Amino acid sequence: DAGVTQSPTHLIKTRGQQVTLRCSPKSGHDTVSWYQQALGQGPQFIFQYYEEEERQRGNFPDRFSGHQFPNYSSELNVNALLLGDSALYLCASTAGPSASGNTIYFGEGSWLTVV
Amino acid sequence: GENVEQHPSTLSVQEGDSAVIKCTYSDSASNYFPWYKQELGKRPQLIIDIRSNVGEKKDQRIAVTLNKTAKHFSLHITETQPEDSAVYFCAAPTSGGSYIPTFGRGTSLIVHP
Repeated sequence: DAGVTQSPTHLIKTRGQQVTLRCSPKSGHDTVSWYQQALGQGPQFIFQYYEEEERQRGNFPDRFSGHQFPNYSSELNVNALLLGDSALYLCASTAGPSASGNTIYFGEGSWLTVV
Repeated sequence: GENVEQHPSTLSVQEGDSAVIKCTYSDSASNYFPWYKQELGKRPQLIIDIRSNVGEKKDQRIAVTLNKTAKHFSLHITETQPEDSAVYFCAAPTSGGSYIPTFGRGTSLIVHP
């Protein structure tokens, strides 16, 4: 049973560039959420996708956008990269978006460094 | 929205001692409280969780207690081992229709052999 998989694992980008991160949810899961984890901080919620639509969004600017595909996989896009976007980006999947207490499974994350 | 405070930020113990990490939350409607362990360079992994209809849950050397009146919940690790060294995060649900957890800032636990 494959868990949550993310790619790439590490990448370095220059300020102003754009980046796309990818995620495949755990088998049987249909809901994908993205989190940003800066060094020394807890994960911060970016947004959640279910049925190919953005269902909820955290306090992140429009430079952060996403997509969910019919096979439930998802992409996170960040435009006009800033130095402050350097972080670990975690994808998490659950079985359904709304039931409180659904166990969240995290992927290993994508380490983004913006120089 | 939910506000989660986690203390302490760093905890250093000797092997075999107990460790306690405490979190407080603000939304009285919150009803699910997980704890995650994150080793260096790894993903956060769920280690234990508790729902609001119980006051305590135990799994071998780890336990979680919940005080809904005071709006706080704690992680207890007994007989700590060096492999328990990691960052621990608590979480509480953010208000709204979907379950979106708000995470604490984390506690770095160091267990000295």
